[in-house]
Order: sequence, then C-alpha cells, then structure tokens
Amino acid sequence: AQSVAQPEDQVNVAEGNPLTVKCTYSVSGNPYLFWYVQYPNRGLQFLLKYITGDNLVKGSYGFEAEFNKSQTSFHLKKPSALVSDSALYFCAVRDGGTYKYIFGTGTRLKVLA
Amino acid sequence: NAGVTQTPKFRVLKTGQSMTLLCAQDMNHEYMYWYRQDPGMGLRLIHYSVGEGTTAKGEVPDGYNVSRLKKQNFLLGLESAAPSQTSVYFCASSPGQSRVWETQYFGPGTRLLVL
Repeated sequence: AQSVAQPEDQVNVAEGNPLTVKCTYSVSGNPYLFWYVQYPNRGLQFLLKYITGDNLVKGSYGFEAEFNKSQTSFHLKKPSALVSDSALYFCAVRDGGTYKYIFGTGTRLKVLA
Repeated sequence: NAGVTQTPKFRVLKTGQSMTLLCAQDMNHEYMYWYRQDPGMGLRLIHYSVGEGTTAKGEVPDGYNVSRLKKQNFLLGLESAAPSQTSVYFCASSPGQSRVWETQYFGPGTRLLVL
C-alpha cells in the first residue's frame, strides 16, 4: 500500500536560514509526489510536484524539493526562510492504481524573526 | 473563477442532528473529494467521486454519505452527528483526465463542532 511519512511534527528555523521539511514515501510503482501548504484557516494550496525527470523540482514561493529514489524521500527545501513561510506543510503521494491521494500528517513550520 | 467553495464555513450541531455540507467547483473538474482534517492525523479521505452520478468510499466513510447529482456539486451528509465527527472538512477537486500527476484544488474548509 502507498504511504507517506512526515517524521517531524514541527520545524523551527530562523528567518534567512535555509529550511528543510522532510517526507519519505512508500509506493509500489512510479512515485507521483506533491507538496501542499496550508495557512491558518485556509484550504491547502499546491506548491510543487514530482512526476519524472530532474530530481530537483522548483515550485511556488521559492520552494523546491529534492527527489531521492534510493532513500525514497522527497524533502521540501528553501534557501532562505521568511516569516511568512510559517504554515502547515503536507506531503502527498498519488495512488496510481486508484484516484486517491495519500497525505502525510503534516509538519508545522515556524520561521522565527 | 471562484474555484472550490464550501458551505457553510462553520456549524455547531448537537449529537444526533443531521446536516449537509455543500461543495461547489466552477472549473469543470471530473473528480471531487471530501477529506477531514484532525490534529496529528493529517487529511483523511472520506468519500470521492470520479464523475457525475458516481461515488466511492475513502479511508473513513462510516457515518457519512455523499451525492454527486451535478458535476459541479459534491454533497457530504451526516445523518446522525456524533462528537467524533467534530473536525474540519475540506473539499477538493481535480481535472480527472486520468493523469496521475494532476494536482488537487481545495476549498477553504468547513469547521464542524458536534456537542
């Protein structure tokens, strides 16, 4: 069965420092991976996705994610964090055999001024 | 385009009461989904639909029913609300052209409190 794990409930980082939010996955076929962000009292917004090709995927708001097949990871990164990046981040994998998306439990990112 | 909208934004129910949550999308998407979000549990799929007139169970379907009578609307019903159904409910849609890399578009959520 497909699954996604986000091992950190919360990540704290100082403004201007690089940030990483971790995600590992388990799929039986090709992985189709997504990152979404949720700001307080809002719905989820798409950030980026990995389909195939380059292992470094660039997305919205300066975020990027690194796909690592051998480590089955899809970590979200940003070179320089902003206070406005503080939000809840979800990793997800598409279950290729069905129409479903499987979400991780979320990681709360707090960027400190 | 309004995207995905949800009605109501917030509701308080007493145990045993019923209600319907409405999701509407104006993007002509085929696929629609209902999720619930609970602290520490992420998003869990309740029901989904791959087209008008079709629905299917997700991960946590018990206590909920759905209908997709029109392509643009996806209704989630609670026949007899229980405190365990206190949650934030999100609707999402995706184009549904059988491409596994499609992204989902989410509504703003409905916060439900069952007393």
